[in-house]
Amino acid sequence: DAGITQSPRYKITETGRQVTLMCHQTWSHSYMFWYRQDLGHGLRLIYYSAAADITDKGEVPDGYVVSRSKTENFPLTLESATRSQTSVYFCATARGATSTDTQYFGPGTRLTVL
Amino acid sequence: QKEVEQNSGPLSVPEGAIASLNCTYSDRGSQSFFWYRQYSGKSPELIMFIYSNGDKEDGRFTAQLNKASQYVSLLIRDSQPSDSATYLCAPRLGGGGADGLTFGKGTHLIIQP
Repeated sequence: DAGITQSPRYKITETGRQVTLMCHQTWSHSYMFWYRQDLGHGLRLIYYSAAADITDKGEVPDGYVVSRSKTENFPLTLESATRSQTSVYFCATARGATSTDTQYFGPGTRLTVL
Repeated sequence: QKEVEQNSGPLSVPEGAIASLNCTYSDRGSQSFFWYRQYSGKSPELIMFIYSNGDKEDGRFTAQLNKASQYVSLLIRDSQPSDSATYLCAPRLGGGGADGLTFGKGTHLIIQP
């Protein structure tokens, strides 16, 4: 049982390119989240989703787009990557009926924008 | 506004001693708390959840909650080098809140052999 998987695990891209980070869960948890983690800032919420076709902005949504057509997938797209989006990105799910239930994290994607 | 404060460290503790990690929060609506551990280069993993005032023990870990003082702590007894990691605190609002958990920036703990 893989739980949460993220792909790719490492990505190097150039400024201005579109990049999509994938997140897949096998638990059928309702809530899914995208965070970025940077030194000095900790984990910051980018977007979250309560269910398929329901998404909402977090603390730092600018420059990112999400979709959730299926419960198990929650891709994050950087429409035009910038150097400031160099970060480690974590996908998470929440077990339970609310967004503040126990969260389980994927292994992360380390993104470098040159 | 939800704010979670943790001493970033590094907190250096000798092996076998008690490591004490602290977290303060500003939102009086916070009813319970998660403690996550994150090893370098890895993702956060849940280690404790506490919802009542007082202590909760799980093996070598004890979480302490004082809602009146808006303070939660994590004690690690008989510290081991494998406990070296960053520890993240996350309050949980009563009623579930609207936009997920707010994580502290974490305390970097180093257990010295």
